[in-house]
Amino acid sequence: DTEVTQTPKHLVMGMTNKKSLKCEQHMGHRAMYWYKQKAKKPPELMFVYSYEKLSINESVPSRFSPECPNSSLLNLHLHALQPEDSALYLCASSQGQGAIDTGELFFGEGSRLTVL
Amino acid sequence: AQKVTQAQTEISVVEKEDVTLDCVYETRDTTYYLFWYKQPPSGELVFLIRRNSFDEQNEISGRYSWNFQKSTSSFNFTITASQVVDSAVYFCASAGSARQLTFGSGTQLTVLP
Repeated sequence: DTEVTQTPKHLVMGMTNKKSLKCEQHMGHRAMYWYKQKAKKPPELMFVYSYEKLSINESVPSRFSPECPNSSLLNLHLHALQPEDSALYLCASSQGQGAIDTGELFFGEGSRLTVL
Repeated sequence: AQKVTQAQTEISVVEKEDVTLDCVYETRDTTYYLFWYKQPPSGELVFLIRRNSFDEQNEISGRYSWNFQKSTSSFNFTITASQVVDSAVYFCASAGSARQLTFGSGTQLTVLP
């Protein structure tokens, strides 16, 4: 079982809905990440939080709004999404801020989002 | 900037065959790290290995082995005596001065019984 838990596993939403994806880890990691993965493509980095502060935003549209309420939780708030935003959204955590520091990212199983 | 190329999009083998997944990287950093992750159908990426740019020793872990060659900028991954449970998408990745992972496009491995 993965040590990074993501909910919900599946989400279908309309373009006018507001929804949130949630991620939780209890490994004491201080960095958490959101990745977006389209079908048959590699994951693309969206956001990085380090010590509960946003450290990297990869020019993600404002209809995606991340939030880190505490060191164990990471949310991704969704509003006014487009059908092309349909993808697998992966959360990850690590001890350091980046793969070069920590050597390993721990990934959740993802939330599969469909925007109608 | 890092670039990782996995030229093999899909590979199918029969169980117990050996299979090698190719990975070629490009970087201007002198210090960098290379990774392999496995993504089974369940979705999560599972870390397999990390190597730094100063350590070209090959590594073996059970049925898995990795061949890092700086001269050819390659970091290939071999599974010996493949099993059906090895079926997954395998991503090679690198990280350098930008500190975050740059993934290759992935190789879908299917091991047939």
